[in-house]
Amino acid sequence: QKEVEQDPGPLSVPEGAIVSLNCTYSNSAFQYFMWYRQYSRKGPELLMYTYSSGNKEDGRFTAQVDKSSKYISLFIRDSQPSDSATYLCAMNNAGNMLTFGGGTRLMVKP
Amino acid sequence: EAGVAQSPRYKIIEKRQSVAFWCNPISGHATLYWYQQILGQGPKLLIQFQNNGVVDDSQLPKDRFSAERLKGVDSTLKIQPAKLEDSAVYLCASSWGTAYNEQFFGPGTRLTVL
Repeated sequence: QKEVEQDPGPLSVPEGAIVSLNCTYSNSAFQYFMWYRQYSRKGPELLMYTYSSGNKEDGRFTAQVDKSSKYISLFIRDSQPSDSATYLCAMNNAGNMLTFGGGTRLMVKP
Repeated sequence: EAGVAQSPRYKIIEKRQSVAFWCNPISGHATLYWYQQILGQGPKLLIQFQNNGVVDDSQLPKDRFSAERLKGVDSTLKIQPAKLEDSAVYLCASSWGTAYNEQFFGPGTRLTVL
């Protein structure tokens, strides 16, 4: 069993839809939770990071962490074609060594 | 601020050949990481440097992979000899330190082993 599980998709939605992306994890030592966006043939770029359970909002993006269920989510409101990318969840413990999920490919159609 | 630079961007070699990748981190970043990203998977950490010392290389296949970071700035990752399963994108990232800090990724080097 992988430490971080993520549905690979692809997830196809119409422009303007609300998108929900999720990861589950097994290591209760993870403290920091991140979402990265990766466009084709580019390196990942950090979208959101959270430390504690609860919600964190940044523009159209909301990150949610439920440590009791070992479950994290990323919501994208009013999705745009430019949001089409692979979304990677990542997490770590006290150090800075990240463990990534496998990524979910999102396609937002005009 | 210039980002993380990597070269080459693409490399095609035959199995059993050797290959080297180069990374120049963001100026001032003490910590440098090499990741392997196989198609359809998330990045997997191979090695982490703090300045010119190794912090973690537990997932580096040391029989064929080596990495160095001379003078605590640029880094090279080498594979010798390459196997078919080494086909992947090799990503370099850097951050200010080892406590939680945002990691900035380069564009990666896409390696194809035939």
